[in-house]
Amino acid sequence: QVQLQQSGAELAKPGSSVKISCKASGYTFTSYYISWIKQTTGQGLEFIGYIKTGSGGTNYNEKFKGKATLTVDKSSSTAFMQLSSLTPDDSAVYYCARSGWEYWGQGVMVTVSS
Amino acid sequence: DVVMTQTPVSLSVAIGQPASISCKSSQSLVHSDGKTYLNWFLQRPGQSPKRLIYLVSKLDSGIPDRFSGSGSETAFTLKISRVEADDLGVYYCLQGTHFPHTFGAGTKLELK
Repeated sequence: QVQLQQSGAELAKPGSSVKISCKASGYTFTSYYISWIKQTTGQGLEFIGYIKTGSGGTNYNEKFKGKATLTVDKSSSTAFMQLSSLTPDDSAVYYCARSGWEYWGQGVMVTVSS
Repeated sequence: DVVMTQTPVSLSVAIGQPASISCKSSQSLVHSDGKTYLNWFLQRPGQSPKRLIYLVSKLDSGIPDRFSGSGSETAFTLKISRVEADDLGVYYCLQGTHFPHTFGAGTKLELK
């Protein structure tokens, strides 16, 4: 069965970076893009961007350019998102989802606090 | 960006009664390939969003036929013919036609 297993919760200080992962199983990893989504109480669900898992090509929502960096490791069927220069506004739950939106990870809570 | 205006914000419905949620887009969601990439999700408390409907009206596997989706161009509707307790949560629409993809703000379905 298709599964997207995300890494654990993160507590980070302002100005630092975090890198969260999304490990795929149950299908051919390179056949589907991986998208990333931010969820906050105030802003709801926001699409960050996607990565083409075969080529590593990326497409970012303009709002998240410079904030999020998407990468993949095909050998481990894992997608990564690095969030940099963290501020309290980056505190959120971050999801990965397979293209088509049928399968989602369980979400990672990122808390930015001094 | 395409704005997805979802109404109502909340909905209080008795078990067995129907429910309807609207999603209107600021531009047509018909893609150049002729398809309309409009999805509906249900997010239960503490869970990830679960896709219910894709391409406006296609039900995902395992989703009861009490759910239906309809609409075209810029106006879309999710209907539940008879609400059950398991249907409670927040419903979102998502357009996948234009980049960046955008979500509606959500509709919270509660029991009356």
